[in-house]
Amino acid sequence: AQSVSQHNHHVILSEAASLELGCNYSYGGTVNLFWYVQYPGQHLQLLLKYFSGDPLVKGIKGFEAEFIKSKFSFNLRKPSVQWSDTAEYFCAVKEGYNNNDMRFGAGTRLTVKP
Amino acid sequence: NAGVTQTPKFQVLKTGQSMTLQCAQDMNHEYMSWYRQDPGMGLRLIHYSVGAGITDQGEVPNGYNVSRSTTEDFPLRLLSAAPSQTSVYFCASSYRRGTHYEQYFGPGTRLTVT
Repeated sequence: AQSVSQHNHHVILSEAASLELGCNYSYGGTVNLFWYVQYPGQHLQLLLKYFSGDPLVKGIKGFEAEFIKSKFSFNLRKPSVQWSDTAEYFCAVKEGYNNNDMRFGAGTRLTVKP
Repeated sequence: NAGVTQTPKFQVLKTGQSMTLQCAQDMNHEYMSWYRQDPGMGLRLIHYSVGAGITDQGEVPNGYNVSRSTTEDFPLRLLSAAPSQTSVYFCASSYRRGTHYEQYFGPGTRLTVT
């Protein structure tokens, strides 16, 4: 089964700074890729997803991610973060199309200082 | 739609006790999953199901049982609770349409084993 690595455990930014969170996975076949956000005390919510087509994916709240197949990466970006983006962010990977085995990275805690 | 519901929200068990965490979804999704979330480890897949009567093991299945007798319900059973099973448990339901896949999470159950 695939593994998912998120390189940054805790990122601290000031408001209006740009954000990039790294995500790499190990599986070499067809993958579905996801970024989820978890606000304090809440469950996971989907930010964006990639299945096929344009490798630059736009999600909610101004987030985007780029799938680079050659690097097995799916990094999350936001040009200008807000205090309300303070949360934990999880990258997730699912192999192929016809299964339900999804694996998550360890998560990156983002703190945005006002 | 209620989406994905989980009961109880909180539970304290003594070592060796057994219990069942309940999960139900009303979206007629074919896929359901159980995850546990521990600090610094992200979400780890315990068991999953791709349809009624079909279940499979995820990353960390030991100490847990599941069954899927109906599309709506996917209970998780702890056979003999251990302190290592102290965690937050999330149930999720998902659907697949062609290459499109989406997963919805429940609110979680916080379990403490003493």
